[in-house]
Amino acid sequence: AQTVTQSQPEMSVQEAETVTLSCTYDTSESDYYLFWYKQPPSRQMILVIRQEAYKQQNATENRFSVNFQKAAKSFSLKISDSQLGDAAMYFCAYRRPGNTPLVFGKGTRLSVIA
Amino acid sequence: GAVVSQHPSRVICKSGTSVKIECRSLDFQATTMFWYRQFPKKSLMLMATSNEGSKATYEQGVEKDKFLINHASLTLSTLTVTSAHPEDSSFYICSAVQGAESPLHFGNGTRLTVT
Repeated sequence: AQTVTQSQPEMSVQEAETVTLSCTYDTSESDYYLFWYKQPPSRQMILVIRQEAYKQQNATENRFSVNFQKAAKSFSLKISDSQLGDAAMYFCAYRRPGNTPLVFGKGTRLSVIA
Repeated sequence: GAVVSQHPSRVICKSGTSVKIECRSLDFQATTMFWYRQFPKKSLMLMATSNEGSKATYEQGVEKDKFLINHASLTLSTLTVTSAHPEDSSFYICSAVQGAESPLHFGNGTRLTVT
């Protein structure tokens, strides 16, 4: 079974600074998708960024970028120019191809200090 | 973008009663819906996979007779918590997918409190 590990239960960052959230995963598949989701206090699940495993190029969405290391099975999220609104729980997730569910890590709570 | 509506957003029920949670895909046909449970400050744990017109597939440790899932149409799946107990109190969230390789879209979740 696939597993997703987030080793940082909590992280904090100064406003305007950069922070990196770690994620590793375990799978025997060669084709899959990786995601970072943000969950604010409202508990709504917001997709931050998505990476296809077959793509070598790291995904980027404005201030959010990933460092995808397929051989190491690592998928970290970098948030640049952190804003107060970035404070939330962040979940790393894995998905096999097909009509399959997301498998989530335990999450990292990010605090942004003004 | 695709919208998934989950209702109710909050519900309080008495121990021993049943409560139904609805998950609707508003602008697409959802061949598959997934039900997750989230304990406070914890991750989302998959409870079951629901395919339209067929029986749900439950994850290990999830009681299918307690958590009844029905996916009778391509736009609606329901989760019924039967004979609810205080330990069933949790945040339940659904997600829907139109087809293979399509992105998952989440409902806004339901906070269930059993007194």
